[in-house]
Parts: sequence; structure tokens; C-alpha cells
Amino acid sequence: AQSVTQLGSHVSVSEGALVLLRCNYSSSVPPYLFWYVQYPNQGLQLLLKYTSAATLVKGINGFEAEFKKSETSFHLTKPSAHMSDAAEYFCAVSDISNFGNEKLTFGTGTRLTIIP
Amino acid sequence: GAGVSQTPSNKVTEKGKYVELRCDPISGHTALYWYRQSLGQGPEFLIYFQGTGAADDSGLPNDRFFAVRPEGSVSTLKIQRTERGDSAVYLCASSLTTGAYEQYFGPGTRLTVT
Repeated sequence: AQSVTQLGSHVSVSEGALVLLRCNYSSSVPPYLFWYVQYPNQGLQLLLKYTSAATLVKGINGFEAEFKKSETSFHLTKPSAHMSDAAEYFCAVSDISNFGNEKLTFGTGTRLTIIP
Repeated sequence: GAGVSQTPSNKVTEKGKYVELRCDPISGHTALYWYRQSLGQGPEFLIYFQGTGAADDSGLPNDRFFAVRPEGSVSTLKIQRTERGDSAVYLCASSLTTGAYEQYFGPGTRLTVT
């Protein structure tokens, strides 16, 4: 079974500061990993995904994440936080051995607050 | 183009009643997923359709939950004899094809059982 752990249910950073949201995964097979963002009263939007190509993945809105197999991590970063980054962020994993079935297993989420 | 839409956006029902939640995926998307998001939690997988068939319903919590996708497009999630514990946001997502690993989510239906 696969699982994802997001450390820190709430993270606050100052505008312009580094954003670091942590995600660790557990998987018996090489996983595909994802970060989604959820703004209030909106659906989940894909920020970026790791699908076994480059380990450093760049996404939308200046976010990036690095897949580190030795640490079973896929932390999300952004060099400089903007007020518009305030949202809920979810890390998710998909079992690529379930060919055709790309169902996601999500973490519990991290709420990011930006301090002006 | 139009994204995934879900109706209604909010549904309040009494315990024991039957409800239907509708999902309109992006046109041409063959894969459709339902998830349930309880307060303070991440979404949890319920069921996966490939075309008209339910390829994986392992996430449905019990036999009160059922979903259909008769023409391979619109899907309906049906909940019988609703319980207060069913209160959650129900999310639908669609994907163009297998191998894309990119699901597009709708805004969800917030179900409240009183």
C-alpha cells in the first residue's frame, strides 16, 4: 500500500521568503508523485508531477520539487512567496503498477499562510 | 474550454434520504474518478471509471454508495440512506487517457447530512 505524509498542517512564511512544504512517501514500487493546490471553494489544480524523468521538477507559479529516492521525499519549494500563494497544498502518490488506473493517494494537506 | 463541472455545488439532506451527485467531465476524457474529502483531510479515492465501466470501486465505503457512467461521459454518484458521517465534499476528476497522469478536478459538491 502507498501512503503520503505531509509534515506540518500549517505553514506560515513572510512575503518574499522561501516556501518549503514537506512530503514523504511510502511505496513498494517506484511511485509517481504530485503536488496539487486548492484555493478556497475551488477544485484541486495540478502544480507539478514526477513521472520518473528528471528528479527536479518545475511546475506552475514558480514552484518546483525534487524527488529524492534515498530520503523518500518530494518536498515543494518556491524561492519567494507571494500573497497569492496562500492556499492548501496536497502531496499525492500514484501506483504505476496499476496500469490504466491512476488513482491518487493524498496526504492530509498543508495550509500555507503568507504574512505581509 | 470548459472544465469539469459538478452539480449541485451544495446539497443539504436529512439523515436517511437518498442523494445523487452529478459530474460532467471534460469532453473526450475517458477516465473519471470520484474522491471524497472530509473536513481537514486530503481527498480519498472512491471509484474509477474507464469509459462506461467501473474499473475500480475499491474505495466505496459500503453498499450504500453506488456510481454509474452509462454513456461514458456524465457520471452520477448515488448515496442511499444517508448518514451524518457521509457529510463531506465529493470531488470528481477526469483524465484524457491512461498514461497522462494528469487529472482535472471539478469544484466539488459539498454534502451535508443533518
